[in-house]
Amino acid sequence: NAGVTQTPKFQVLKTGQSMTLQCAQDMNHNSMYWYRQDPGMGLRLIYYSASEGTTDKGEVPNGYNVSRLNKREFSLRLESAAPSQTSVYFCASSRGTRPPDEQYFGPGTRLTVT
Amino acid sequence: EDQVTQSPEALRLQEGESSSLNCSYTVSGLRGLFWYRQDPGKGPEFLFTLYSAGEEKEKERLKATLTKKESFLHITAPKPEDSATYLCAVTLSYNTDKLIFGTGTRLQVFP
Repeated sequence: NAGVTQTPKFQVLKTGQSMTLQCAQDMNHNSMYWYRQDPGMGLRLIYYSASEGTTDKGEVPNGYNVSRLNKREFSLRLESAAPSQTSVYFCASSRGTRPPDEQYFGPGTRLTVT
Repeated sequence: EDQVTQSPEALRLQEGESSSLNCSYTVSGLRGLFWYRQDPGKGPEFLFTLYSAGEEKEKERLKATLTKKESFLHITAPKPEDSATYLCAVTLSYNTDKLIFGTGTRLQVFP
């Protein structure tokens, strides 16, 4: 099992460019999540999908969109990148949310917006 | 506002020197508390889940405990390979879909 995989590992964008971060899990998990991690801020939830076919906003959704393509895949799109979106992005998955289940994280995507 | 605070921000220990990391929370209803370990350049790795006050979980040199206001991660006789950032997160009784993370404690263990 690969667990949670993310592509790309690193990316540099210019302000205004768009890109999609890909995430896939092979654990047959129902729920998937996108976080960003910034120094001194901890992990903050951007969007999540509690089950296939549903998506909901997290704490910091502005400037992002998501797609739950199927049970395995959950993508994060930046339509017009801004320097404030420079961060490390983590995808995670869990079996479910009731009761709350531990989340398994991918290796991260390091994004720089110049 | 629901909040999770971890202390200290950073901790330096000599190998074998036991200590504890603290995670305090102010939330309107706790459903579960999670501990994760994060190595530099990697994603967080799950360690423990605690659901009720008085509960304890152990794994090798790590022991997590939970009270009504805080959780402790005790590290007994740490080794250099225990060096990492330890993250605490809570999920709420009225919204179990989300985790609220603390900012972590960066632990360094020297030989």
